[in-house]
Amino acid sequence: QITLKQSGPTLVKPTQTLTLTCTFSGVSLTTGGVGVGWIRQPPGKALEWLGVIYWDDDKWYSPSLKSRLTITKDTSKNQVILTMTNMDPVDTATYYCAHRPVTSSRRSLGFDPWGQGTQVTVSS
Amino acid sequence: QSALTQPASVAGSPGQSITISCTGTSSDIGGFNYVSWYRQDPGKAPKLIIYDVSHRPSGISHRFSGSKSGNTASLTISGLQPEDEGDYFCSSYTSSSTLDFGGGTKLTVL
Repeated sequence: QITLKQSGPTLVKPTQTLTLTCTFSGVSLTTGGVGVGWIRQPPGKALEWLGVIYWDDDKWYSPSLKSRLTITKDTSKNQVILTMTNMDPVDTATYYCAHRPVTSSRRSLGFDPWGQGTQVTVSS
Repeated sequence: QSALTQPASVAGSPGQSITISCTGTSSDIGGFNYVSWYRQDPGKAPKLIIYDVSHRPSGISHRFSGSKSGNTASLTISGLQPEDEGDYFCSSYTSSSTLDFGGGTKLTVL
């Protein structure tokens, strides 16, 4: 059974950097084809994809946020870390990490399962 | 504004079938067979119910099916049950190696 557990702050100040950690079990990011993605959801709004990191350290980012985002992995700890700089109140959202199962193509971005979500508020 | 267009709401009675559409362009839905569908209950994380247009993950009921025609993908739920109520989101891989989501559809079981 694959599980993802998220940790990180629930409140950050404007201009600060957000760092969220996704610790997973039941799967290894050394396994070919595996990926972990990040998705966020502002209150009452739609999902927004942030990026994904693959087992071979390939990374894809949302173009609109690419300059502010970094996704890294620590395979020894089974962790994926999301860093977002220069946080703004419009970045207030629930942030999710999610597992991308092994499939025939890395273009297949169906995420399952998801972490529990981290509700992040950006406010001074 | 989301890149993929979904109806804001759909409704159906128990036992009926409903279809939720997800419209994109030739740069996303129309160009690739990498559409996924998720169901989200209030306050919960989304759950994958369809991937790669029409594939069901293990444990997902056969009442859920996906299809695609041109730039529009569809999720059909047959034999509607009260527990199917929730928000449904589509997503698609794009030609820019990114992922777009739809705005979400609220399903009400009357």
